[in-house]
Amino acid sequence: GENVEQHPSTLSVQEGDSAVIKCTYSDSASNYFPWYKQELGKRPQLIIDIRSNVGEKKDQRIAVTLNKTAKHFSLHITETQPEDSAVYFCAACDRNSGNTPLVFGKGTRLSVIA
Amino acid sequence: KAGVTQTPRYLIKTRGQQVTLSCSPISGHRSVSWYQQTPGQGLQFLFEYFSETQRNKGNFPGRFSGRQFSNSRSEMNVSTLELGDSALYLCASPPAGYYTGELFFGEGSRLTVL
Repeated sequence: GENVEQHPSTLSVQEGDSAVIKCTYSDSASNYFPWYKQELGKRPQLIIDIRSNVGEKKDQRIAVTLNKTAKHFSLHITETQPEDSAVYFCAACDRNSGNTPLVFGKGTRLSVIA
Repeated sequence: KAGVTQTPRYLIKTRGQQVTLSCSPISGHRSVSWYQQTPGQGLQFLFEYFSETQRNKGNFPGRFSGRQFSNSRSEMNVSTLELGDSALYLCASPPAGYYTGELFFGEGSRLTVL
């Protein structure tokens, strides 16, 4: 089955700096790579996703990149703000198959220091 | 549209007891996935139900079981509770109503085992 590794487990940045979180996956059949943000005491919420037919996707200060050959994908947050402080999870699955669950990395706790 | 509803939100049990958690997916959606969240382990997949059938199962012992009813509501049960079962149990369903990989999570049921 799929295995997703996520690094780093914790990350502290100064407000205004950029943050990068990296994930690798093992199953070459995976074609859907979402990122979830979980604020303290709240449920994980999807913030951005990317499908295997594109290499990069941006949404304001957030961007994801995907390297299918190397089987890794990354989340980039620019101009970080205190409200970006949260735990971020990457995940992977084969969205064409209803028989493979969404597999998550172990999460990265991002702290943005004002 | 109502979201994913989980009950109870918090509960405390002692070792050896059993617990039942309930989840109602997004109205009209037939798929329900369950995840266990613990510090350091991230979101670990428990099982997924679709139209009352278990479609996928994660690597958890047989003490963890689930079921889904005809109205799509799902329950998970943990028997002979252990201290290590203390976790946030999250239920999720696809917001699109069909499998796309994306999941919309409920607020979770936080279980504490003493």
